[in-house]
Amino acid sequence: QITLKESGPTLVKPTQTLTLTCTFSGFSFNTAGLGVGWIRQPPGKALEWLALIYWNDDKRYSPSLKSRLTITKDTSKNQVVLTMTNMDPVDTATYYCAMDSGSYRYFDYWGQGTLVTVSS
Amino acid sequence: EIVLTQSPATVSLSPGERATLSCRASQSVSSSLAWYEQKPGQAPRLLIYDASNRATGIPDRFSGSGSGTDFTLIISSLEPEDFAVYYCQQRSNWPRTFGQGTKVEIK
Repeated sequence: QITLKESGPTLVKPTQTLTLTCTFSGFSFNTAGLGVGWIRQPPGKALEWLALIYWNDDKRYSPSLKSRLTITKDTSKNQVVLTMTNMDPVDTATYYCAMDSGSYRYFDYWGQGTLVTVSS
Repeated sequence: EIVLTQSPATVSLSPGERATLSCRASQSVSSSLAWYEQKPGQAPRLLIYDASNRATGIPDRFSGSGSGTDFTLIISSLEPEDFAVYYCQQRSNWPRTFGQGTKVEIK
């Protein structure tokens, strides 16, 4: 059974750096074609794609946020980490990690999401 | 960046009725488009991939069609559990992008 779970702070102050961890089970990052990404959703608003990292360490970012984002993976720990610098109240959102298992080339497994609030 | 425009923003229907949701891309995405369902407080769920293929376990009342720039998701007969928000997403180009969603609400 494939599961993903996001963890990290629920509250950050403006200008701080957010670090979110996605811990997964039921698959190995050594699987060719596999990718894990981050998507966020401000309260009551639409989904926004942020970043994606593949099994071969290929990384892709949203151009509008690229200067603020870093995505990395730790295969031994079954984790993907997203850092976002210079947080602002407009970054308040539920942050999801999701997996492209390679079966469909879309996000076929999702974590439950974690709400991050940016406020002083 | 490819912009996906979904219409309508909200549709009000009764159980048993047919729902027709549209997603239009700002440039061709070929057939590289998916549909997701999101219920309140839950993560999205993949319904349709590559425009017209149902993901594993998705009931056959859900169907997708289209290619290029115009796509449609049809729910042939709404069940109570189908009242949710539906998003399209393209994987033709980077960055991957989502539409703004269509809410299917109970009339």
